[in-house]
Amino acid sequence: KQEVTQIPAALSVPEGENLVLNCSFTDSAIYNLQWFRQDPGKGLTSLLLIQSSQREQTSGRLNASLDKSSGRSTLYIAASQPGDSATYLCAVIAGSGNTGKLIFGQGTTLQVKP
Amino acid sequence: NAGVTQTPKFRILKIGQSMTLQCTQDMNHNYMYWYRQDPGMGLKLIYYSVGAGITDKGEVPNGYNVSRSTTEDFPLRLELAAPSQTSVYFCASTRQGTTEAFFGQGTRLTVV
Repeated sequence: KQEVTQIPAALSVPEGENLVLNCSFTDSAIYNLQWFRQDPGKGLTSLLLIQSSQREQTSGRLNASLDKSSGRSTLYIAASQPGDSATYLCAVIAGSGNTGKLIFGQGTTLQVKP
Repeated sequence: NAGVTQTPKFRILKIGQSMTLQCTQDMNHNYMYWYRQDPGMGLKLIYYSVGAGITDKGEVPNGYNVSRSTTEDFPLRLELAAPSQTSVYFCASTRQGTTEAFFGQGTRLTVV
């Protein structure tokens, strides 16, 4: 059974710091991996989608990498800002058919202090 | 574009009552999903649909029912509400199974 883990559960950094969020999954047979942002009391906003054939995706100050063989993905946030404070969730589509069913980690709650 | 719209945003139910959570999307996506999120936990899949008239169970389907009569709408029905169904419910859609998922703003449900 595919399991997704995110460590740490919470992270606090000073503004301007570069940081890395980690996501690991137990079964390397995935279709893709997606990173989401969730603000308190809000829905999920898609940040980056990495297909299984890709190694990384970039959007602005965000860079996500994927290493299927080791079952890991990282989300790199450059020059963090207080507005980056949120919970970050990673999710994979397991290789059990093209149904798009997402398996989520528990999330990392990030606080960026001014 | 509105994207994925969920109603209501908040609801309090008494034990044993029933209700329907509404979800509609205007992106002409074939695939739709219902997830629940409990405090400190990731989202878990309740039901999903790969097209109108087709639905299937996810990881935690007990106590819920769905229907998909149109491409746009995917309502989630709770029968005989129980305290264990207190959660935040999210509806999502994708164009195809491996493309980007779009989520609604969620419905916060409390069963007392």
